[in-house]
Amino acid sequence: DTKTTQPTSMDCAEGRAANLPCNHSTISGNEYVYWYRQIHSQGPQYIIHGLKNNETNEMASLIITEDRKSSTLILPHATLRDTAVYYCIVRAPFQGGKLIFGQGTELSVKP
Amino acid sequence: GAGVSQSPRYKVAKRGQDVALRCDPISGHVSLFWYQQALGQGPEFLTYFQNEAQLDKSGLPSDRFFAERPEGSVSTLKIQRTQQEDSAVYLCASSLAPGPIYEQYFGPGTRLTVT
Repeated sequence: DTKTTQPTSMDCAEGRAANLPCNHSTISGNEYVYWYRQIHSQGPQYIIHGLKNNETNEMASLIITEDRKSSTLILPHATLRDTAVYYCIVRAPFQGGKLIFGQGTELSVKP
Repeated sequence: GAGVSQSPRYKVAKRGQDVALRCDPISGHVSLFWYQQALGQGPEFLTYFQNEAQLDKSGLPSDRFFAERPEGSVSTLKIQRTQQEDSAVYLCASSLAPGPIYEQYFGPGTRLTVT
């Protein structure tokens, strides 16, 4: 069962911040929010994950609302190479934590 | 270091043939997952191994699909009597240990086309 809702597509200007929203209103207290992206013809690439607190790494920032019902992935300075499908995933803590992908958001970064 | 590798990258099979797809996970990774991705869709979970034990095979679509990881490292996904609906990209992923704090690293996938 897909537990996340994302917009189908988004555009972003090169050099600007890309903010990708995700709704996960039925998330449980022990479930993590994960973000992956998939560039055409490649395997999914891990971006970032979090439980309750906001997280930042070299690729992106993850902002999780206090009630944990939604989150936003932020790419601070989008480049053309960031054009990809971005998947927001709620990950279960049991059975190794299989990933349940939805349809994702197709992000197009334009010059 | 080396990532997850999969072979072959492309496979064309005639309907009814058996195929075997190989996954080499990152060395030392305990958990291994197989996913199936149809054209235009997100990946769908097939099966999960912790070392050599297959702990979850709930996503395997039929008894024609079989996966193994006999020594807890390399894994093989076998599809018997392939059908056209089996055409998809098959993705393998590994993670250091079980649990949701460990990210999964994906291979490039094997694109299977059944004619």
